[in-house]
Amino acid sequence: DAKTTQPTSMDCAEGRAANLPCNHSTISGNEYVYWYRQIHSQGPQYIIHGLKNNETNEMASLIITEDRKSSTLILPHATLRDTAVYYCIVRVSYGNKLVFGAGTILRVKS
Amino acid sequence: NAGVTQTPKFQVLKTGQSMTLQCAQDMNHNSMYWYRQDPGMGLRLIYYSASEGTTDKGEVPNGYNVSRLNKREFSLRLESAAPSQTSVYFCASLGRTYEQYFGPGTRLTVT
Repeated sequence: DAKTTQPTSMDCAEGRAANLPCNHSTISGNEYVYWYRQIHSQGPQYIIHGLKNNETNEMASLIITEDRKSSTLILPHATLRDTAVYYCIVRVSYGNKLVFGAGTILRVKS
Repeated sequence: NAGVTQTPKFQVLKTGQSMTLQCAQDMNHNSMYWYRQDPGMGLRLIYYSASEGTTDKGEVPNGYNVSRLNKREFSLRLESAAPSQTSVYFCASLGRTYEQYFGPGTRLTVT
C-alpha cells in the first residue's frame, strides 16, 4: 500500500469548512484513498473513499487531484464534535491490511 | 442494527491470566478483524478472518489466538496475559465497498 503524508495538526473555526490534505505521491492505479477518523477513546469511523473522481456523502467531500498524488477531505461546516484524529489511507480495495499512520489532529474551536 | 459490538468494555488482568474478548457484527459481513492500539499510537492488525472458517495472522499475532465461531462472531483469546498486552482492542468488519466498521473497543490492563 502506498505511503501517505498528512500534517500533524490543524485548527478550524466552528462553522467553517475544514480542509484536510493528504499526499500520496506513490499511489498505484488500483489503489483507493480512504478516510477515517477517531474521536477520543472511540473506535475509528469510516468517512469516505474514492479512486479518482471526487466523492461526496452526508459526512464529507473528497477531492482527488487529477494525477491522484494528493487529496483533500472537506468537512463543509465543522462542529466541535468533529474534533478528532483524521487518517488518510491508501490501499487496494480488496486488501485486508488497513495501516493507520499518525493522522492529522483536527481541533475545531468555537 | 447495532453494527459491531464488543465485550467487555474494560478488563483488568494479572500477568498469566487468560481471557477472551468477544466481537459480533450484525451487518452480514464476511471479513472481520482484530486490532490493538497502544497509547498515542496507530492501530496494528493482530488477526483477521476473510470468511467463516478461515483466520490469518496480521502484523502482531504473538500471544493471541482467534476463533471465527460463525459469520457473526470473531473472538480474540489471550492465553497468558503479559503487561505488554495492555492496550485498547478494536474489532472491525469489512463492508460492501471495502470500508471497515469498528466496534467501541475493549480497554485491557495487565498488571
